[in-house]
Formats: sequence, C-alpha cells, structure tokens
Amino acid sequence: AQSVTQLGSHVSVSEGALVLLRCNYSSSVPPYLFWYVQYPNQGLQLLLKYTSAATLVKGINGFEAEFKKSETSFHLTKPSAHMSDAAEYFCAVSDDWGGTASKLTFGTGTRLQVTL
Amino acid sequence: NAGVMQNPRHLVRRRGQEARLRCSPMKGHSHVYWYRQLPEEGLKFMVYLQKENIIDESGMPKERFSAEFPKEGPSILRIQQVVRGDSAAYFCASSPRRRSTTEAFFGQGTRLTVV
Repeated sequence: AQSVTQLGSHVSVSEGALVLLRCNYSSSVPPYLFWYVQYPNQGLQLLLKYTSAATLVKGINGFEAEFKKSETSFHLTKPSAHMSDAAEYFCAVSDDWGGTASKLTFGTGTRLQVTL
Repeated sequence: NAGVMQNPRHLVRRRGQEARLRCSPMKGHSHVYWYRQLPEEGLKFMVYLQKENIIDESGMPKERFSAEFPKEGPSILRIQQVVRGDSAAYFCASSPRRRSTTEAFFGQGTRLTVV
C-alpha cells in the first residue's frame, strides 16, 4: 500500500523567506508524485508532478520539488515566499500499477502562513 | 473549456435525509474520481468511475453511499440517510486518460453539512 507523510501541519514563514514543505512517501513500485495547493473554499490545483523523468521538477508560481529516491522524499520549495502563497498544500502519490489510474493517496496537508 | 463543475457548492441536510452531489467532468474527460475531505484531514479516495462503469470503489463506505456515471449527464454521488459524520467536503476530479501521469483536474467541491 502506498502512503504519504507530510511533516508539519502548519508552517509559518516571513514574506521573502524560503518555503520548505516536507513530504515523504512509501511505495512498493516506482511512484508518481504530485503537489497540490488548495486555497480557502476552493478545489485543488496542481502545482507540479514527478513522473520518473527529471528528478528536479519545476511547477507553477515559482515552486519546485526534488525527488530523492534514497530518502523517499519529495519536498516542495520556493526561494521567496509571497503573501499569495498562503494556502494548504497537499502531497499525493498515485498508483497506476493496479490499473486504477490516478487514484491518489494524499497526505494530511500543510497549512502555509506567510507573515509580513 | 470549462473546468470540472460540481453542484451544489454547499448542501445542508437533516439527519436521515438523502444527499445527491453532482459532478460534470471537463469536456472530453471520461474518467471521474470522488474524494472526501473531512475537517482538518487530507482527501481520501472514494470511487473511480468511467462512463457507465464503476472501476474501483474500494474507498466507498459499504452502506448508504453509491455513485454512478451514466452515459449521458453528470456523475452522481448519493448518500442515503445522512448522519452527522457525513459532514465533509466532497471533491470530484476528472482526467482524459487512464495513465496516472495524466493530471486529474479537481472541481471546487461540495460542502455537505448534516444538521
């Protein structure tokens, strides 16, 4: 069974500071990994995805994530936080190998707060 | 191209009533997924459907919950005899293809409150 662990349910950074949101996964097969962002009362928007190509993945809004197999991690980073980045961030892993494509297993989320 | 449309956005039901949640996938998408988000939790997979077929319902509660995706019209998630514990946000996602490298696009969700 696949699983995702997000360390830190709440992260607070100052505007302009580095954003680091942690995600570790567990998978018996090569995983497909995703980061989604959820703004209040909105649906989920895809930030970026890892699909076994380049290990450093660049996404929208200046975010990127690096897949590290040895550490089973897929941490999300952004060099400089902006007030508009305040939202809930979800890491997810996909299981394609059982024939149930795009069935995502989500982490519990990290709420990012950006302060002045 | 309109995104995934869910309605209603907010739904209030009394205990024992039925709740019907609708999801219209993006144009050209024939794969639909339903997820439930309980307060302060991540999304949990419920069911995966293609047109007229339930492919994977491993996340659906055994009783009171059902889902369909007819040949014509939206996908429907139906909850019979709702209880307070059913209060949650229900999200629908759609994708055009089976492969999981394909992004699943999410709707804005239906927030169900059971009173």
